[in-house]
Amino acid sequence: KAGVTQTPRYLIKTRGQQVTLSCSPISGHRSVSWYQQTPGQGLQFLFEYFSETQRNKGNFPGRFSGRQFSNSRSEMNVSTLELGDSALYLCASSLGGLLAGDSYEQYFGPGTRLTVT
Amino acid sequence: AQSVTQLGSHVSVSEGALVLLRCNYSSSVPPYLFWYVQYPNQGLQLLLKYTSAATLVKGINGFEAEFKKSETSFHLTKPSAHMSDAAEYFCAVSRGAAGNKLTFGGGTRVLVKP
Repeated sequence: KAGVTQTPRYLIKTRGQQVTLSCSPISGHRSVSWYQQTPGQGLQFLFEYFSETQRNKGNFPGRFSGRQFSNSRSEMNVSTLELGDSALYLCASSLGGLLAGDSYEQYFGPGTRLTVT
Repeated sequence: AQSVTQLGSHVSVSEGALVLLRCNYSSSVPPYLFWYVQYPNQGLQLLLKYTSAATLVKGINGFEAEFKKSETSFHLTKPSAHMSDAAEYFCAVSRGAAGNKLTFGGGTRVLVKP
């Protein structure tokens, strides 16, 4: 099976611009989660989508948004970029079920490194 | 709320020596615990997971971890370090049936000396 893919891998943007990142989950996985990784704050959860609905949300401002399509692919958008948004953005996919015995393993993509200048 | 504490942001071990990475968690519900490894310029790779079955969990690359509820710990070990083990390791907790949000520890960077 192909793993989680993220595009683009590297991105340079200017303050005030907006950016869209894309994530394709492992085939059959219905849950996609997004994380931000920075040297100062570490790995922080942004949000999770399951069956096109946001199921969990982290503590990030409204400038960070996402969506999921019917094929489970997900996009993350950041508007009005700030210097502090420079980070590695990681996407993870899982089967997503919430029943006892379901697998909760999340598989990560290689990330998109966003640099804001 | 859940939290994870990894003791030691950097660990240096000699090749062939024991690797021990410490992780303590707090959770108001039975936790699901994970260890991930990250190599430079890459995403996270799942090493092993605890989901309330056996308390001693074996993972990939010779790593294992033991869940100790009384100590709220989930330490990662490997009997003999290899140069390829040099990477950053993250312990994470989730609430499982409450959703897939992972809460990560701060990470431990492992340096392996020849």
